[in-house]
Amino acid sequence: EAQVTQNPRYLITVTGKKLTVTCSQNMNHEYMSWYRQDPGLGLRQIYYSMNVEVTDKGDVPEGYKVSRKEKRNFPLILESPSPNQTSLYFCASSPSGTGGEQYFGPGTRLTVT
Amino acid sequence: SQKIEQNSEALNIQEGKTATLTCNYTNYSPAYLQWYRQDPGRGPVFLLLIRENEKEKRKERLKVTFDTTLKQSLFHITASQPADSATYLCARSLTGTASKLTFGTGTRLQVTL
Repeated sequence: EAQVTQNPRYLITVTGKKLTVTCSQNMNHEYMSWYRQDPGLGLRQIYYSMNVEVTDKGDVPEGYKVSRKEKRNFPLILESPSPNQTSLYFCASSPSGTGGEQYFGPGTRLTVT
Repeated sequence: SQKIEQNSEALNIQEGKTATLTCNYTNYSPAYLQWYRQDPGRGPVFLLLIRENEKEKRKERLKVTFDTTLKQSLFHITASQPADSATYLCARSLTGTASKLTFGTGTRLQVTL
C-alpha cells in the first residue's frame, strides 16, 4: 500500500531532551516536507526537500533540523525541544516539487513539558 | 507578506445542497491552488489542484474555480452528504517557489440530514 508513515504517533517529552520523528514514504517521491498544525494557525511548513541531500527552510524552521540522506526517509530533529514546539506534526511527500499534490502521513502529536 | 484566507471557520448545510467554500489570497497570484480534506485526528487528503491559467476544474461532485481578478478560489461540493462533513483546507504555491506550500486555516463543513 502506498503510504507515508510517521513514528512515533504520540510523544510526551521534557524541555531540552533531543528527539527525532521519523518519516518514510514508499512511493519513490522526490519531494518531502514537514508541517506543524496548531489551532487557529493552520498548517505551517517547517522544512522541505526537493531530493536527496537537498533541503530548504519553510515558514517556521527555527528550532528544527532535517536531513535527507535517502530518498524514502526525511526525519525531523528537535535538538532542544521547548514547550512552544508542542504541536501536531505532519510529514508529506509528492511526486513533484513543482506544486503538485501532497500525500500526508497520519501525524505525530508532540507534547513538550 | 503572502496570505491565504478561508473566511468561514464553519459552514452548516443541509444534505443535498451545494456547499461553497471560499479561499482568498493577497498580493501575488498563486501558481497553484490546492484543496484538501482533513478529518479529525488524521492527515489532510488531496482533492483537487488548479493552476493559475485554469478557470475551473472538476472531479465527480467537486468543482474548483480560480478567479485571479478577485484573488479568490471557490470550492463546491454538489449534492452534499453527511459523509462530506470534514475540514477543508486550501493551499497555494507561488510561481518560482512551487515547493513552498502555504495553507489556509480551513473551513469546517457540517452536512446535516
